[in-house]
Amino acid sequence: DAKTTQPTSMDCAEGRAANLPCNHSTISGNEYVYWYRQIHSQGPQYIIHGLKNNETNEMASLIITEDRKSSTLILPHATLRDTAVYYCIVRGGNNAGNMLTFGGGTRLMVKP
Amino acid sequence: GAVVSQHPSRVICKSGTSVKIECRSLDFQATTMFWYRQFPKKSLMLMATSNEGSKATYEQGVEKDKFLINHASLTLSTLTVTSAHPEDSSFYICSAPGTGGAETEAFFGQGTRLTVV
Repeated sequence: DAKTTQPTSMDCAEGRAANLPCNHSTISGNEYVYWYRQIHSQGPQYIIHGLKNNETNEMASLIITEDRKSSTLILPHATLRDTAVYYCIVRGGNNAGNMLTFGGGTRLMVKP
Repeated sequence: GAVVSQHPSRVICKSGTSVKIECRSLDFQATTMFWYRQFPKKSLMLMATSNEGSKATYEQGVEKDKFLINHASLTLSTLTVTSAHPEDSSFYICSAPGTGGAETEAFFGQGTRLTVV
C-alpha cells in the first residue's frame, strides 16, 4: 500500500469546519483513500472512503484531487466529540483490499 | 452495518499467566481477521493476520509462541497472550475486512486494554 503523510496535529474551533489534509503521492490507480478516526481508548471508526470522485456522507466529505496525490477530509461543523486521531489510509491494489496499514495520523483537537 | 465485537474490553492479569482475547464478526463471515497492538500515543501496529482454517501469519518481530492466534470459525478469532509480562501491557485491537475487498470498509473491535501486573 502507498504511504500517506498527515500533519501531526491540528486545532479547530467548535462549530467550524475542520479540514484535514493527506498526501498520498505514490497512490496506485486501483487504491482507495480511506479515513478512520480513533477516539481515546476505542477501536478505529470508519468515516469515509473514495477512489476518484469526491464523496459525502452523514459524517464528512472527502475531496480527492484530480491527480489523486492528495485528499482532504472535511468535517463541516466540528463538535467537541470530533476530537480524535484521524487516519488517512490508502488501501487496495496488490493488497487485495485486506489489511489497513496505519500511519501516524492527525490529532484533531476541537476547542470550545 | 457490520459489527465486530471484541471481548474483554479490559483485563488485568498477573505476570506469568495467559490471557485470551476474543474477536467476533457478528453479522458477517470473516475468513481473515487482523490483530493490532497499540502503545500509548502511538499508532496501530499490525501484529498478525488470522486465517480461518490455516495458520496465522505474523509480522516481523512478533513472537508466534507468545501471541497465539486461533481462527476457530468464520466468525471467531482469538488472541492468547501467553506467559504475560508487564511489557505486554498494551491496547489490542482486532479487525475484519468487509466482504467487498478494497471497495468496502474494514470493521474494528472496541479494543482490549491489557494490563499485566
